[in-house]
Amino acid sequence: EPEVTQTPSHQVTQMGQEVILRCVPISNHLYFYWYRQILGQKVEFLVSFYNNEISEKSEIFDDQFSVERPDGSNFTLKIRSTKLEDSAMYFCASPSDQSSYNEQFFGPGTRLTVL
Amino acid sequence: LAKTTQPISMDSYEGQEVNITCSHNNIATNDYITWYQQFPSQGPRFIIQGYKTKVTNEVASLFIPADRKSSTLSLPRVSLSDTAVYYCLVGPKGSARQLTFGSGTQLTVLP
Repeated sequence: EPEVTQTPSHQVTQMGQEVILRCVPISNHLYFYWYRQILGQKVEFLVSFYNNEISEKSEIFDDQFSVERPDGSNFTLKIRSTKLEDSAMYFCASPSDQSSYNEQFFGPGTRLTVL
Repeated sequence: LAKTTQPISMDSYEGQEVNITCSHNNIATNDYITWYQQFPSQGPRFIIQGYKTKVTNEVASLFIPADRKSSTLSLPRVSLSDTAVYYCLVGPKGSARQLTFGSGTQLTVLP
């Protein structure tokens, strides 16, 4: 099974600090997604990224968030000034192939804790 | 997007077959039905996808009636490790739109 990897597995930060979450999606895919899940709540869509540009974003994805693909393989989610309510699991995902976007492979997630 | 409704929770015992039903009355002609499984502190994992009738893989079966307004995920002979949240999603297969997760069904398998 294809693998999506994420680092770090757990990030603890102080409120107001910047964090960068990293993902290595399935290679040769053009679409990537970031989701988050606050403890005990639903998995929520943040942003989709296609061909090095944001394709779609949710209302959660405000100016504090940004995504980049800095080197063609890594895919990063940056939160510029973290808030307490940003504490959550953050998952990146890639579709299995371009004929079935419903089948997405999720990474193991990064647990972000904002103190 | 078609709205889905599934039970909040279900309990079962090891070795039993578990059926989780999802309602999706407003499913569109080009929508597929997809099920995901999520263990605590892990990302969702694709289980199975279907359009109509029955689909079976090594993990589960998916039953879809002719009107496609509901679907049933069937897990044969569950074990303790099948304890997880199961999500039913409905949407077009070829669309690159994001997945929309509901609250899912918390399945607890008891010894």
